Amino acid sequence: DVKVTQSSRYLVKRTGEKVFLECVQDMDHENMFWYRQDPGLGLRLIYFSYDVKMKEKGDIPEGYSVSREKKERFSLILESASTNQTSMYLCASSFPYTGAVTDTQYFGPGTRLTVL
Amino acid sequence: QQPVQSPQAVILREGEDAVINCSSSKALYSVHWYRQKHGEAPVFLMILLKGGEQKGHEKISASFNEKKQQSSLYLTASQLSYSGTYFCGTEIGNTGNQFYFGTGTSLTVIP
Repeated sequence: DVKVTQSSRYLVKRTGEKVFLECVQDMDHENMFWYRQDPGLGLRLIYFSYDVKMKEKGDIPEGYSVSREKKERFSLILESASTNQTSMYLCASSFPYTGAVTDTQYFGPGTRLTVL
Repeated sequence: QQPVQSPQAVILREGEDAVINCSSSKALYSVHWYRQKHGEAPVFLMILLKGGEQKGHEKISASFNEKKQQSSLYLTASQLSYSGTYFCGTEIGNTGNQFYFGTGTSLTVIP
């Protein structure tokens, strides 16, 4: 079974702190994604990576950066956390797919981040 | 860019059928469907590609109208286990950062 793990289920940080969210997948997937999920807004893509050191901005990249130094690990960084970044953060990974960019996405359990 | 889902919520009795719709204002490369149960991660259901190829769940079916940029998910003879929030995801380009999920449809199946 594919396993996507995230470093924390719950995290509480203060405004202005630098926050690291880690995601690790064990299926040798090329693609990795970071989403945030808010009530009524669904899942919104923050960043996408299709290979080591390769990244593309998603729909809402402002205030976030990412790092992918190894194929299995994709980190989301909040350089200076703000209260409007309080949210559920979900990581996903997938193979590419012929005819589309992404095949089945496998999601991690999520990190609920609260910024005070 | 975000697709529109309808209805926002639906309540069914066991055995009833439901249809969830997903509509985009952009031409689509593919449509994906996921289900998320409360407190859990989203789980893959189906992928529908331009040209008619499909991949996914045996007991759930879906359609993709490329010309209308719409997809529908059909849940027949619903079971209690079908309860959850259903999301469609749409690829509007051939790069991974052009993937957009809808806002979700909450489906509750009652005995």
